[in-house]
Amino acid sequence: GAGVSQTPSNKVTEKGKYVELRCDPISGHTALYWYRQSLGQGPEFLIYFQGTGAADDSGLPNDRFFAVRPEGSVSTLKIQRTERGDSAVYLCASSLKAGGPPDTQYFGPGTRLTVL
Amino acid sequence: QKEVEQDPGPLSVPEGAIVSLNCTYSNSAFQYFMWYRQYSRKGPELLMYTYSSGNKEDGRFTAQVDKSSKYISLFIRDSQPSDSATYLCSGGYQKVTFGTGTKLQVIP
Repeated sequence: GAGVSQTPSNKVTEKGKYVELRCDPISGHTALYWYRQSLGQGPEFLIYFQGTGAADDSGLPNDRFFAVRPEGSVSTLKIQRTERGDSAVYLCASSLKAGGPPDTQYFGPGTRLTVL
Repeated sequence: QKEVEQDPGPLSVPEGAIVSLNCTYSNSAFQYFMWYRQYSRKGPELLMYTYSSGNKEDGRFTAQVDKSSKYISLFIRDSQPSDSATYLCSGGYQKVTFGTGTKLQVIP
């Protein structure tokens, strides 16, 4: 079946602009995660959803970052007033459920964001 | 100090060698430890996970956790060129904390 998909695959924007990054999880997966991976670093946790609600958003760096998952499936990560330091690959992952032994997180290919 | 420390490498080995990848962690609350493999321009994929201290084997891969020393290891036997990738160690639960990743190259 289809894996996690993310769109766009690449996004170039100018400093100060607003961007939206989309994640389509594997069908039936109730948990969805966002990570950010800077060059030469491991993924850094941002937020995870169980269903429609954000169960843990402690990794969001500041109030310019916001994520939603209104119907418990597709999620959108929104970044306002982008800064050059936001340039990174934004990874989305989904798992069958959250709240038990670690459920395998299946990662998408990421969206490469470049802020000029 | 990062919660999970990992030598970024790169590490180059000849085909067939035994590879040892290591990490240390500082968060005593970690119970689950995972190893992910990441190919260039792809998302990470889970190789295996271990709960608490102990060993776990899956084919050519063995994961070890020593909670007393906060040390995580991954061993790859009979390494193949297709094993060339970045290997990420991690700890945590839903909120997973990753190391920097070690870039491995297996030379034919």
